[in-house]
Amino acid sequence: EDKVVQSPLSLVVHEGDTVTLNCSYEVTNFRSLLWYKQEKKAPTFLFMLTSSGIEKKSGRLSSILDKKELFSILNITATQTGDSAVYLCARYGGSQGNLIFGKGTKLSVKP
Amino acid sequence: GAGVSQSPSNKVTEKGKDVELRCDPISGHTALYWYRQSLGQGLEFLIYFQGNSAPDKSGLPSDRFSAERTGGSVSTLTIQRTQQEDSAVYLCASSSGRQETQYFGPGTRLLVL
Repeated sequence: EDKVVQSPLSLVVHEGDTVTLNCSYEVTNFRSLLWYKQEKKAPTFLFMLTSSGIEKKSGRLSSILDKKELFSILNITATQTGDSAVYLCARYGGSQGNLIFGKGTKLSVKP
Repeated sequence: GAGVSQSPSNKVTEKGKDVELRCDPISGHTALYWYRQSLGQGLEFLIYFQGNSAPDKSGLPSDRFSAERTGGSVSTLTIQRTQQEDSAVYLCASSSGRQETQYFGPGTRLLVL
């Protein structure tokens, strides 16, 4: 089945901790993998990854894609309470126009 | 420029009634998508419009669901004879082209009583 699997489903950390969120998928012929942050209703775009092994960074967030092992990770360093959200991973298929989403990782950052 | 906008923000309706949800994509974006997110679930694809091509309706869960995109811009998602299981957040997204970054609107939370 064509799935995107995220782990863990939920995570509770304290401010200042570093977290790694995982995303795995099953197909090999895809173009892009995307990460979103969802705090209330609207997912906000974080990263689009198309090339394997090239890290993308934005402040305390970074992400990398491994097309050989079929996974991606999202790292958040020095977490803050404002990082509390559901983090969604999604990929485009080979010929599909829509994104296929994982169920997300709910991150809670405690003061 | 303005992001994706959706209306209404919240909608409460009675079972069996029809509802219309509206999406205004980012200006110039040729691709428009509808997804829904049920409580505790991931985003589920519903329908995708790309330019003037026929829409990809493969995600619509039943024939009670339909969508239009007029003039290549604004889109309306219509749910006829609503059921309680239609309760969800309906999210619209747009992108500059096929398989480009999708930007999401704030969503419409639909509650069917």
